Amino acid sequence: EVQLVESGGGQVKPGGSLRLSCVVSGFTFSSYALSWVRQAPGKGLEWVSSINSRSSYIKYVDSVKGRFTISRDNAKNSLYLQMDSLRAEDTAVYYCARDLAPYDFEVGWFDPWGQGTLVIVSS
Amino acid sequence: DIVMTQSPDWLAVPLGERATISCKSSQGLSYSSKNKNYLAWYQQKPGQPPKLLIYWASTRGSGVPDRFSGSGSGTDFTLTISNLQAEDVAVYYCQQYYSSPVTFGPGTKVDIK
Repeated sequence: EVQLVESGGGQVKPGGSLRLSCVVSGFTFSSYALSWVRQAPGKGLEWVSSINSRSSYIKYVDSVKGRFTISRDNAKNSLYLQMDSLRAEDTAVYYCARDLAPYDFEVGWFDPWGQGTLVIVSS
Repeated sequence: DIVMTQSPDWLAVPLGERATISCKSSQGLSYSSKNKNYLAWYQQKPGQPPKLLIYWASTRGSGVPDRFSGSGSGTDFTLTISNLQAEDVAVYYCQQYYSSPVTFGPGTKVDIK
């Protein structure tokens, strides 16, 4: 069974940092791109960042560039999102998802998704 | 960035009837050299993560019932749920992956009438 399990969410003050993790099982982790997608409470979906299988292509939405860093450890079947200089508008459930981009340098569609981890940025 | 819009925001359909959701993009989602439209559809039930329904505008994901179908090309796309079931109550999102940043529509909530 394919599983993606996120962890690391919590409450943090504005300007603070958090590191999210996503552990994957059920498919060959090192063969797929992965992404983070977030959903603010009661709102829609927003793509945040993607990384290809070899970490050679990395993309971010403009609103997190310079503050968030995506990375992966293929030996540990793990995806990470280091979030620094957090703002109130970063409050959301963060999902990791397998990215089925048709080409290595693209971002594609997402399947499957993890259950998500909630990040609250508040003083 | 490509802006995705969906209509309606909400619809209620009797059990067994058809639900139709429209998704429009601010620019075309297919390359002239390829015969594919870079559009996906997702279903999100309350308290759950999104689930892939459709990719390439009309290809059903693994295990997705055939009452879900996608159509359209260019800038106009449709998700049709035939024979609506109680378990189809959810919010449905379209997503373009034609260009980065990939973007989602605002969602359409489907209820039972």
